[in-house]
Amino acid sequence: DQQVKQNSPSLSVQEGRISILNCDYTNSMFDYFLWYKKYPAEGPTFLISISSIKDKNEDGRFTVFLNKSAKHLSLHIVPSQPGDSAVYFCAARGGSGAGSYQLTFGKGTKLSVIP
Amino acid sequence: DAGVIQSPRHEVTEMGQEVTLRCKPISGHNSLFWYRQTMMRGLELLIYFNNNVPIDDSGMPEDRFSAKMPNASFSTLKIQPSEPRDSAVYFCASSRDIETQYFGPGTRLLVL
Repeated sequence: DQQVKQNSPSLSVQEGRISILNCDYTNSMFDYFLWYKKYPAEGPTFLISISSIKDKNEDGRFTVFLNKSAKHLSLHIVPSQPGDSAVYFCAARGGSGAGSYQLTFGKGTKLSVIP
Repeated sequence: DAGVIQSPRHEVTEMGQEVTLRCKPISGHNSLFWYRQTMMRGLELLIYFNNNVPIDDSGMPEDRFSAKMPNASFSTLKIQPSEPRDSAVYFCASSRDIETQYFGPGTRLLVL
């Protein structure tokens, strides 16, 4: 049972345009969400996070939106650059016990930014 | 600042051999996580240490897997004996308590 789903395995975007990566979750106990970026042969790199008490968090070109009622979050990258080409993972945690520290990851979306 | 350091970066071994993966967490971080990434299952948590103590090893696949953290700056993940289905990328991550986890570059393991 996948609790965090990234339904688009891949996405291609023209340089300079907006990239929108989506993530859905099913566990209502999740209260903290993160996006990681991964280049080939490297480990995931933390990008941006959002707590469930917010509906938006912005860091430079990266903005994460959270819609709790829809159990949906999205990562917007504006403007997209070729260096943004990577696999993006959505992750979530929440609840007591293991939920307080265990990150549940989606399967990732491969973003290709075309020059 | 140095990030999480893992060694080796690549390991090729034969079925039945012992494999030891190593991790040095970020200085000052007191939580350490071992993950495994496969195509089928994605990123899965294997074991979580806090202040050098194993807190949750429910993700360890079977008794062939063991992990230790003898001090705050070193951890090992051992597979003995290794099997072809253990082939995967193994990541170590560290954090301050349950704050953001920072990942190492991973060890790509191939068991023939």
